[in-house]
Amino acid sequence: EVHLLESGGGLVQPGGSLRLSCAASGFSFSGYAMTWVRQAPGKGLQWVSAISASGSDTYYADSVKGRFTISRDNSKNTLSLHMKSLRAEDTAVYFCAKATGLHPKYYHSMDVWGKGTTVTVSS
Amino acid sequence: QSVLTQPPSVSAAPGQMVTISCSGSSSNIGNNYVSWYQHLPGTAPKLLIYENNKRPSGIPDRFSGSKSGTSATLDITGLQTGDEADYYCGTWENSLSLVVFGGGTKVTVL
Repeated sequence: EVHLLESGGGLVQPGGSLRLSCAASGFSFSGYAMTWVRQAPGKGLQWVSAISASGSDTYYADSVKGRFTISRDNSKNTLSLHMKSLRAEDTAVYFCAKATGLHPKYYHSMDVWGKGTTVTVSS
Repeated sequence: QSVLTQPPSVSAAPGQMVTISCSGSSSNIGNNYVSWYQHLPGTAPKLLIYENNKRPSGIPDRFSGSKSGTSATLDITGLQTGDEADYYCGTWENSLSLVVFGGGTKVTVL
């Protein structure tokens, strides 16, 4: 069964850092681009970042560029999101998701999602 | 403010049809495929439509998508109480090289 499981969420103070992980199983992880999407309380879905299948290309939303770093370890079937300089507006449920296509123009099409991990930025 | 514009809410009685619009521009919808998602609070979003009008396996044909120019549409026919959820459109934004979502549309079954 295809499965994604996020971990690493929690409570962090403004300006702090956190590293999210996403463990993949049931599919050939190294063959697919992966993404992070978040949903802040009472808000809609917001795309955060994407990484190509090989890990050589990365993409970020303007709101997180320079603060978040997406990476992957294809040998461990793991996707990561390192978040620093966290702000209150980064408070959200963070989902990892598998893209259906290899080209960036297909990164909006995500057919497998994890259940999400909650990040709360507050003092 | 979302790059893609969706109505905040739509509603209809059970068995009826709802249409959700998603308006963009030539730099996003006009030159790229559109996806649609169903999202119930506390759960993972579900891909309903990809490449404008294709359904993943397991998605009933009550859900259909289309695209014309810089706008896309999701139709839900034979509305059921279980369809009450938030629905989002998404696509690639060429000018910024990133994924964009609509603001979401809440579907209510009367």
